[in-house]
Amino acid sequence: QSALTQPASVSGSPGQSITISCTGTSSDVGGYNYVSWYQQYPGKAPKLLIFDVSNRPSGVSHRFSGSKSGNTASLTISGLQADDEADYYCSSFTITSTLGVFGTGTKVTVL
Amino acid sequence: QVQLVESGGGVVQPGKSLRLSCAASGLTFRSYAMHWVRQAPGKGLEWVAVISYDGSKTYYADSVKGRFTISRDNSNNTLYLQMNSLKAEDTAVYYCAKEEAVASASNWGQGTLVTVSS
Repeated sequence: QSALTQPASVSGSPGQSITISCTGTSSDVGGYNYVSWYQQYPGKAPKLLIFDVSNRPSGVSHRFSGSKSGNTASLTISGLQADDEADYYCSSFTITSTLGVFGTGTKVTVL
Repeated sequence: QVQLVESGGGVVQPGKSLRLSCAASGLTFRSYAMHWVRQAPGKGLEWVAVISYDGSKTYYADSVKGRFTISRDNSNNTLYLQMNSLKAEDTAVYYCAKEEAVASASNWGQGTLVTVSS
């Protein structure tokens, strides 16, 4: 199973909004509403930000939102803050595997 | 609150075995499917294995199938990963995580590093 495709890096200034894309196929992202997003700081465990495309676990800031169109899911971070600088991964259910598939990861830089 | 603590990592020679443990607290452990996810140094995340809440169903990544075994002890709130015939490419930080939704994991542990090297 090939990893989902994410841009290697995305950057923005404090207060701006940025969007990270996650492109798959009809066998994963496009076929099911089971896309999740994670934030990971260096040397730390991932933290779940979004599940089932657009649902936020309790305690996750409303500045993080998820959506999907066709085979591409997106994570939008609004009101960018310095501590949003981290790596972000998407994941999706896939019909080709009983496990999920992760994206390639995106490094977010706050200018 | 939910706490997951992995242990058992270390340096091991190729072909040898290692067993990882994940001690869970702050949740009704027996109610949740559990995952192992790994991350090679400087690389992305990879699902390794998942086990159903009662241990009756297990699934593995193709890269570890036949070599790794996931299991759980619901009476002791502990998740395991038995890793046999280890290869250099198994070198990674291994995380246990509680399933939140389909193909989604919350409440990750801090990870334990496995290094396979001669």
